[in-house]
Amino acid sequence: AQSVTQLGSHVSVSEGALVLLRCNYSSSVPPYLFWYVQYPNQGLQLLLKYTTGATLVKGINGFEAEFKKSETSFHLTKPSAHMSDAAEYFCAVSDQGYSTLTFGKGTMLLVSP
Amino acid sequence: EADIYQTPRYLVIGTGKKITLECSQTMGHDKMYWYQQDPGMELHLIHYSYGVNSTEKGDLSSESTVSRIRTEHFPLTLESARPSHTSQYLCASRGQDSSPLHFGNGTRLTVT
Repeated sequence: AQSVTQLGSHVSVSEGALVLLRCNYSSSVPPYLFWYVQYPNQGLQLLLKYTTGATLVKGINGFEAEFKKSETSFHLTKPSAHMSDAAEYFCAVSDQGYSTLTFGKGTMLLVSP
Repeated sequence: EADIYQTPRYLVIGTGKKITLECSQTMGHDKMYWYQQDPGMELHLIHYSYGVNSTEKGDLSSESTVSRIRTEHFPLTLESARPSHTSQYLCASRGQDSSPLHFGNGTRLTVT
């Protein structure tokens, strides 16, 4: 069965600093991987996804993530944090039949001025 | 922008009441999903559907039921609400298997 581990329930950065949110997964098949962002009182919004091809994927709002098969990781990064990036971020992996997604517990990103 | 709608946004209801959470999407997606979300926890899949007249139970045991009579509509029903049902319920849909889930804004349910 597939699973997702997000290290750190909360990550704090200063405005302008590098953002790094960690995600490790397990999957019995080549995975489809996703990062979602959730702002307060809203649903989840897709940031980026990896299915096949280039292992470095770029998403919205300046975020990117790199699929590393040898490390079973899909960490999310952004070079310079902005106050508006404060939100909860979820990593997800597809199931064996590619019909459902398994989500991590989420990481709350806090950005201080 | 995804066109998936959930109503109501907030609901406070007494124990024992029957409730239906509505979810509709206008994208023509075949696959639809219900997730339960609690603070600090991963999203738990409680029901999903591959298309009309298809419903499947998810990973999390749930006392709720769903129906899929029309492609665009995937309501979730609790026959007898209990305080343990207090949570946020997120509806989602997707097209092809490699495509992402599109989420609604959720229904926050409180059972007193």
